[in-house]
Amino acid sequence: GENVEQHPSTLSVQEGDSAVIKCTYSDSASNYFPWYKQELGKRPQLIIDIRSNVGEKKDQRIAVTLNKTAKHFSLHITETQPEDSAVYFCAARSNDYKLSFGAGTTVTVRA
Amino acid sequence: GAGVSQSPRYKVAKRGQDVALRCDPISGHVSLFWYQQALGQGPEFLTYFQNEAQLDKSGLPSDRFFAERPEGSVSTLKIQRTQQEDSAVYLCASSLFGAADTQYFGPGTRLTVL
Repeated sequence: GENVEQHPSTLSVQEGDSAVIKCTYSDSASNYFPWYKQELGKRPQLIIDIRSNVGEKKDQRIAVTLNKTAKHFSLHITETQPEDSAVYFCAARSNDYKLSFGAGTTVTVRA
Repeated sequence: GAGVSQSPRYKVAKRGQDVALRCDPISGHVSLFWYQQALGQGPEFLTYFQNEAQLDKSGLPSDRFFAERPEGSVSTLKIQRTQQEDSAVYLCASSLFGAADTQYFGPGTRLTVL
């Protein structure tokens, strides 16, 4: 099955700086890569996703890049704000429905 | 509109007890998923329904775990003879049409087995 690895496990950034989280996947058939943000005790919420037919997608301060050849994808958050502090999960879908998640990155934005 | 809801939000069970966890998906959503999230980890797939049909239960850890969605809307995850290793947050997600659509998650049920 699909195996997703996520790095780093924790990330502390100064407010206004950028944050980058990287994930690798094992199944070359994976074609959909969502990113979820989970605040403490709350539900995971989709913040951005990318499909395998594009290399980059941007939504305001958030962008995701995908390198299919290397089987890795990254989340970029620019101009970080305190409300960006949360756990971020990457995921990959290798069949029609099953999402495989990374272990998560705890992001702390220092004011 | 209303999102995915789950109940109870917290459940404490003594080892050996049976528990039932409920998921109310977004109205009209065809696909429903259950995930298990251990502390400090990402969600792990348990099972998938399309309407009332359980199409994949490969992630269920043992035969003590059972899920149903008899009318194609509300789903129940049942765990029999709970063990301490069952302690986790159980997340439900739904998607509109096929399972290839975006999955929207519920708030989860935190199960603690003593």
